Amino acid sequence: SAVISQKPSRDICQRGTSLTIQCQVDSQVTMMFWYRQQPGQSLTLIATANQGSEATYESGFVIDKFPISRPNLTFSTLTVSNMSPEDSSIYLCSASGQDANSPLHFGNGTRLTVT
Amino acid sequence: GQQLNQSPQSMFIQEGEDVSMNCTSSSIFNTWLWYKQDPGEGPVLLIALYKAGELTSNGRLTAQFGITRKDSFLNISASIPSDVGIYFCAGPNAGGTSYGKLTFGQGTILTVHP
Repeated sequence: SAVISQKPSRDICQRGTSLTIQCQVDSQVTMMFWYRQQPGQSLTLIATANQGSEATYESGFVIDKFPISRPNLTFSTLTVSNMSPEDSSIYLCSASGQDANSPLHFGNGTRLTVT
Repeated sequence: GQQLNQSPQSMFIQEGEDVSMNCTSSSIFNTWLWYKQDPGEGPVLLIALYKAGELTSNGRLTAQFGITRKDSFLNISASIPSDVGIYFCAGPNAGGTSYGKLTFGQGTILTVHP
C-alpha cells in the first residue's frame, strides 16, 4: 500500500491567516482526497484532488476556503484560508492506489489549532 | 446523504475479553471497510469486505458483510492493550465502488484495561 506523508504534522495559527498542508505519496496514485476530522468527530470528505484540473468539492466546502492543488500523481496541497477557530481540526490526506477501486489509505494528518 | 450508525459509541473492557461492534445503514453499501485510528495518527485499514455475506479475518479481527448489505460487524478476540483506539466503519458514497469518497461511521472508542 502507498505510504502517505503530510507536512506539517501540527500547527498553531492565528485567526485570519492561511496554512498550506502538503501531501506526498511514495508511488503514483489514481485518486487523492482531503478529509477533515473535527475534534471528537468522524471523518468528512472535503474534496477530491484531481490531477491537472480543479478539485471536486463536497457539499459545504468551497474552493475559496479550501483551495487544492494536485500538480502530479504523487503530490497535493490543501490550503485552509482566512482561518477561524472553527477550522481547528485534523486534516487528512488520502490516496487509493494505482487502481481507483483499491481501498483508501491515509496519512497521519495535520492537527491544526486556530487561536 | 448516507449515514452509518455505529455502536457502541465506546467500550471499556478487560484485557483478554472479546469485543464486538457493528455498523448499520438505511442505504445499501457495496463495500464495507473497517479502520482503526490511534491517537495522533491517521486511520489504518483493518479489513475490507466486498461481497454480501463475506466473512473475513485479519489475525484476531473478524468482520462480516451483512446479507442485506446494510450492516457489518467487527469482532476482536482476546483483546490486548494495543487494541486501544477508535474503530470506524466506512463505505463508498451513494452505493458506488469508488473507495476514495467514503462515508464514515461515528466511531467506537475502545479502552482496554490491563
